[in-house]
Amino acid sequence: QVQLQESGPGLVKPSETLSLTCTVSGGSISGYYWSWIRQSPEKGLEWLAYIYDSGSTTYNPSLKSRVTTSLHTSKNQFSLTLTSVTPADTAVYYCARVVDGYCVGWGQGTLVTVSS
Amino acid sequence: DIQMTQSPSSLSASVGDRVTITCRASQSISRYLIWYQQKPGKAPNLLIYGATSLQSGVPSRFSGSGSGTDFTLTISSLQPEDFATYYCQQSYSAPPYTFGQGTRLEIK
Repeated sequence: QVQLQESGPGLVKPSETLSLTCTVSGGSISGYYWSWIRQSPEKGLEWLAYIYDSGSTTYNPSLKSRVTTSLHTSKNQFSLTLTSVTPADTAVYYCARVVDGYCVGWGQGTLVTVSS
Repeated sequence: DIQMTQSPSSLSASVGDRVTITCRASQSISRYLIWYQQKPGKAPNLLIYGATSLQSGVPSRFSGSGSGTDFTLTISSLQPEDFATYYCQQSYSAPPYTFGQGTRLEIK
């Protein structure tokens, strides 16, 4: 059973960069799609990005050029970077394993608050 | 983006009831529709994919139907552990995949 765990700062200042890591255990990161999704009361569930083990990525256009995701295969991890954050980026951030466009496994989620 | 609209937004029901939740897409998504269940403080959990296929381990009282723009999730006989929030998601077109706003199922 593949397990995912998000890690990173729980508090980020406005205009700074949010960085999160997802550690995958119980299975290889290779051969699958991996994704970042966030959830807030204001926007609900929002798909941010996904990445394949080849390194190819797809991003939500609503985030424009602020979001990046990368694979770290040797560590069985992938990461999320969101630049120029505002309070509207406050949310629970989830990483997930994706099969055919749906999430078959999720991390427990990590709350990130954007505040000075 | 494809907009996903769920109805109702909230629903009160009793143990043993049959419950139906609806999800409508802003354009045809064939059968690329997924249902998740989310309990407070937890990540969503996959229930149904491909509009009708039950994820392994999910009780058979859950079922999905529909195609095109209109879909339903049915719980045939509510159990106490089914009280949660349910979300639909389309996997027809990305970026981005999009979710419904959720349906909160509460105990009557």
